[in-house]
Amino acid sequence: EPEVTQTPSHQVTQMGQEVILRCVPISNHLYFYWYRQILGQKVEFLVSFYNNEISEKSEIFDDQFSVERPDGSNFTLKIRSTKLEDSAMYFCASNGGGNTGELFFGEGSRLTVL
Amino acid sequence: AQSVTQLGSHVSVSEGALVLLRCNYSSSVPPYLFWYVQYPNQGLQLLLKYTTGATLVKGINGFEAEFKKSETSFHLTKPSAHMSDAAEYFCAVSVSTGRRALTFGSGTRLQVQP
Repeated sequence: EPEVTQTPSHQVTQMGQEVILRCVPISNHLYFYWYRQILGQKVEFLVSFYNNEISEKSEIFDDQFSVERPDGSNFTLKIRSTKLEDSAMYFCASNGGGNTGELFFGEGSRLTVL
Repeated sequence: AQSVTQLGSHVSVSEGALVLLRCNYSSSVPPYLFWYVQYPNQGLQLLLKYTTGATLVKGINGFEAEFKKSETSFHLTKPSAHMSDAAEYFCAVSVSTGRRALTFGSGTRLQVQP
């Protein structure tokens, strides 16, 4: 069964460092998303991406964040200068654009900022 | 804008007992509604969804939910809890398919006592 894959599963970084989280969405999907879940809290929307551009972003997604689809398969989230409060689980999701509205989520990348 | 409220951050039931997890939504247009489950250290898995049509929807693992427009609710139920049901459950709403992101509730942690 097709699935969304994310790498790395866990990354530890120093405050101020740049981090890139990678995602391979389901191959025929058109819409891509990043969500964040701080430990013990709700899943929060960061950004959605369609047709090679951001279609929607939340107030969390400030200038230190960026997304890119560098090739036909990868979808990346870059955090330019990490802060302690960026420590969270980051989930990638994709959607085929059909009538269901269902998002397919990856297993997540846990980011720990020290 | 849409929102979701999940009543009860923690619910504990005995094995074999009824599971009821509550979800109320707010939306200015007809919503699409979802329940996702998150097992420890895993990603988000779709349990069930309501888009259009029958208001009682059945999902995986014996769960079902009923969309009640008059009550703006989409409560999740299972007649008989199993130990393997212990997880975090998230209700989510979207007001259109495709581009628009899901908005998640704060989650309910289900504990199943032997």
